[in-house]
Amino acid sequence: RKEVEQDPGPFNVPEGATVAFNCTYSNSASQSFFWYRQDCRKEPKLLMSVYSSGNEDGRFTAQLNRASQYISLLIRDSKLSDSATYLCVVRGGTNAGKSTFGDGTTLTVKP
Amino acid sequence: DGGITQSPKYLFRKEGQNVTLSCEQNLNHDAMYWYRQDPGQGLRLIYYSQIVNDFQKGDIAEGYSVSREKKESFPLTVTSAQKNPTAFYLCASNTGIGRDSPLHFGNGTRLTVT
Repeated sequence: RKEVEQDPGPFNVPEGATVAFNCTYSNSASQSFFWYRQDCRKEPKLLMSVYSSGNEDGRFTAQLNRASQYISLLIRDSKLSDSATYLCVVRGGTNAGKSTFGDGTTLTVKP
Repeated sequence: DGGITQSPKYLFRKEGQNVTLSCEQNLNHDAMYWYRQDPGQGLRLIYYSQIVNDFQKGDIAEGYSVSREKKESFPLTVTSAQKNPTAFYLCASNTGIGRDSPLHFGNGTRLTVT
């Protein structure tokens, strides 16, 4: 079983739709959680950190459920420019410095 | 502007040759990392360094070597022992193991070995 698992998709949605991605992690001692966005053949870029209380940044909402060991990303009012691969990242536990990436979920927003 | 610079962007080598990928950061970050990404897959950790003159193996260190002689620099050598070296290599840094310390990435090096 992978340490961090994501539904690979692809998710194909129309503009304006709401879409949600989930990510599960196996290490209950994990302490830090992030969502990254990666465009085709580019480096990943930080989208947002994920906090226990949940956090929002414009159209994006991230939530953490420690009891069930999953994090989620909700995108409202999807734009064409949201098309990308979204990577879930988990860090901490026995090796505090190590970040583990999920394989990513691909989103395509269509007109 | 502060950031992470990887060079070159594209690199071509013959099988059996060692090759060194450059990574330099001017963010004053203590920790630096090397990841490898294969098509359709996530990032896998090769090596990381939390402080100068110290580094640890990641999940796929075999066939790779690193050095951390300066805070700003963390070069990765892909040796001839690496069985399948063709991949997208990403260097990253952060301030360390702090809770809210996300990784910042360079723009990557695409290595092709034939």
